[in-house]
Amino acid sequence: GQSLEQPSEVTAVEGAIVQINCTYQTSGFYGLSWYQQHDGGAPTFLSYNGLDGLEETGRFSSFLSRSDSYGYLLLQELQMKDSASYFCAVRRGGSNYKLTFGKGTLLTVNP
Amino acid sequence: DVKVTQSSRYLVKRTGEKVFLECVQDMDHENMFWYRQDPGLGLRLIYFSYDVKMKEKGDIPEGYSVSREKKERFSLILESASTNQTSMYLCASSSGQSNSPLHFGNGTRLTVT
Repeated sequence: GQSLEQPSEVTAVEGAIVQINCTYQTSGFYGLSWYQQHDGGAPTFLSYNGLDGLEETGRFSSFLSRSDSYGYLLLQELQMKDSASYFCAVRRGGSNYKLTFGKGTLLTVNP
Repeated sequence: DVKVTQSSRYLVKRTGEKVFLECVQDMDHENMFWYRQDPGLGLRLIYFSYDVKMKEKGDIPEGYSVSREKKERFSLILESASTNQTSMYLCASSSGQSNSPLHFGNGTRLTVT
C-alpha cells in the first residue's frame, strides 16, 4: 500500500522560515506534489518534484530525495496569509492519475 | 483559469436517501476525481474517471458510484446514504498530460442524519 507521514501541526512567526517534511512509502513512485488549503477553501497546487533536488517558486521551495523516500516544503519570509493546511501527495506507480495525499500539516503563522 | 464547480456547498440528507453530488469543469480536462476529506484523515480518493464513461475505483469506493456521461461532468452517487458518509466531498480535474496538477472545486459539505 501507500502511506505518507507529515507533521500534524507547525507554528511559526511572520518573517520566519519553516520546513514541512514528508516521508512516504509507495510502490512505483512517480513524483511528490504539495497542495495548500486555506480554511474553508479548496486545495490548490503548489509544486511538484519528479526528480531529486530542489524546485523553487518564489517564497516556496520543494525538495525531493527518492533514495530516502523523503521530501519537504520550505516556506520563506512567512506571511500571515500562509496560515493554511499543507498536503504532500504521491503519484502512484502504474497510474498517471491517482494521487495519495498525506493527512496534512496545519501551519499557523503568528505575528 | 480552470474552474471546477460543485453544485451544492452544503447538503443535508436523511439516512437511506439516494444522493447525487454534481461536478462540472470548464477546461476540457480528461481526468476527474472525487475525494472525501475528514479531519485527521486528509483527502481520500473515492473514484476517478479518465474519459467519458470510464471510471476506476479509488481507495474507498464502498457505498459510492459515479457517472460520467459527458466530459465536463462527473457525478458522485450515494445509493443509500449513511451517517458515516457525512463528510466534505471534493471534486477535482486534471488534464491528461503526465504530472498535471489537480484543480479542485470548493467542496460539498454533506451531512447525513
